[in-house]
Amino acid sequence: AQSVTQPDIHITVSEGASLELRCNYSYGATPYLFWYVQSPGQGLQLLLKYFSGDTLVQGIKGFEAEFKRSQSSFNLRKPSVHWSDAAEYFCAVGGDGNKLVFGAGTILRVKS
Amino acid sequence: KAGVTQTPRYLIKTRGQQVTLSCSPISGHRSVSWYQQTPGQGLQFLFEYFSETQRNKGNFPGRFSGRQFSNSRSEMNVSTLELGDSALYLCASSPASGGAGDTQYFGPGTRLTVL
Repeated sequence: AQSVTQPDIHITVSEGASLELRCNYSYGATPYLFWYVQSPGQGLQLLLKYFSGDTLVQGIKGFEAEFKRSQSSFNLRKPSVHWSDAAEYFCAVGGDGNKLVFGAGTILRVKS
Repeated sequence: KAGVTQTPRYLIKTRGQQVTLSCSPISGHRSVSWYQQTPGQGLQFLFEYFSETQRNKGNFPGRFSGRQFSNSRSEMNVSTLELGDSALYLCASSPASGGAGDTQYFGPGTRLTVL
């Protein structure tokens, strides 16, 4: 069965610092991987997705993620965090039809 | 294009009642999925509808049901509400094929509180 682990429940970074959010997945075949962001009281917004090909994926708002099959990881990165990036981030894996399996989420706090 | 819309945005019900939530997908999208989000269980898949047929179902009791209309709009129903059904219910739509690689676009959710 598919599963996603986000080891960090909370992360605090200073504005302007770099960010890396970790995601590990379990899936038998080539996974479809996604990162979504959720602001308080809002739905989920897609940041980026990986299906195949180049393992470094560029997304919106300056985010990127790298797929590493050998480590079963799909970590999200941003070189310089802005206060508006404070939100909850979810990694998800697809593959069973249109069903997404989500990780527990990582809450990002940004210090000014 | 307008995004996914969900109505109502907030609901308060009491135990034992039933509730119906509505979702209008992005124009042209034929697949609609529903998710439940709670602090304890996180985001969990409820079911997916494609061309008015339930195509996939998560591990939820039969009190949770849904349907899809010919215009792709979808409703989900929860009968005999329990306190544990309090959650944010998210609807997502995806384009025509509705396959595993499709991107799902989420609505703002309906916040259900059961008293």
